[in-house]
Amino acid sequence: DVKVTQSSRYLVKRTGEKVFLECVQDMDHENMFWYRQDPGLGLRLIYFSYDVKMKEKGDIPEGYSVSREKKERFSLILESASTNQTSMYLCASTPSLGISNQPQHFGDGTRLSIL
Amino acid sequence: GIQVEQSPPDLILQEGANSTLRCNFSDSVNNLQWFHQNPWGQLINLFYIPSGTKQNGRLSATTVATERYSLLYISSSQTTDSGVYFCAVRDNYGQNFVFGPGTRLSVLP
Repeated sequence: DVKVTQSSRYLVKRTGEKVFLECVQDMDHENMFWYRQDPGLGLRLIYFSYDVKMKEKGDIPEGYSVSREKKERFSLILESASTNQTSMYLCASTPSLGISNQPQHFGDGTRLSIL
Repeated sequence: GIQVEQSPPDLILQEGANSTLRCNFSDSVNNLQWFHQNPWGQLINLFYIPSGTKQNGRLSATTVATERYSLLYISSSQTTDSGVYFCAVRDNYGQNFVFGPGTRLSVLP
């Protein structure tokens, strides 16, 4: 089974801090995604990466950056955390579109609170 | 981009009842998944079903790709079925998945 692991289930940080959320997958997937989920707004795509060192903006990239130095790891960075970034963050991975159409696998999520 | 709608937005059932959840999408897709998000926030893959019908225990799903909809059936519902059910699709042109707004299901004992 595919395993997508997010480093923390719960995280509390202060306004202005630099925050790192880590995601690791063990199935050699090319594509990795970061979403945030807020009540009434569903899941919204922040960034995705289709290969090492490649990244694309999703629907709501403002205030975030990402890093993909190794294929198995995709990091989401809040450069200067703000209270409106309090949310549930979900990481996912899937093989490349060019190989086959496979399910998207999610981590357990990180519930981030910015005080 | 592709639009995804789900209905109903909320559903309350008595334990043991059956239900049907619907997902409509606006364009051709090459990937459609149903997820259950439990009360702890975990997203659980239920079905990968870009077309056809699949069954897994009390759950089954059907996707009619030509008519751009998918249905999730839950039979003999249990309180542990409570949560939010999402469908997510990927169109033929992109790498992204687009999620529907979800159906919140509450199963009462």
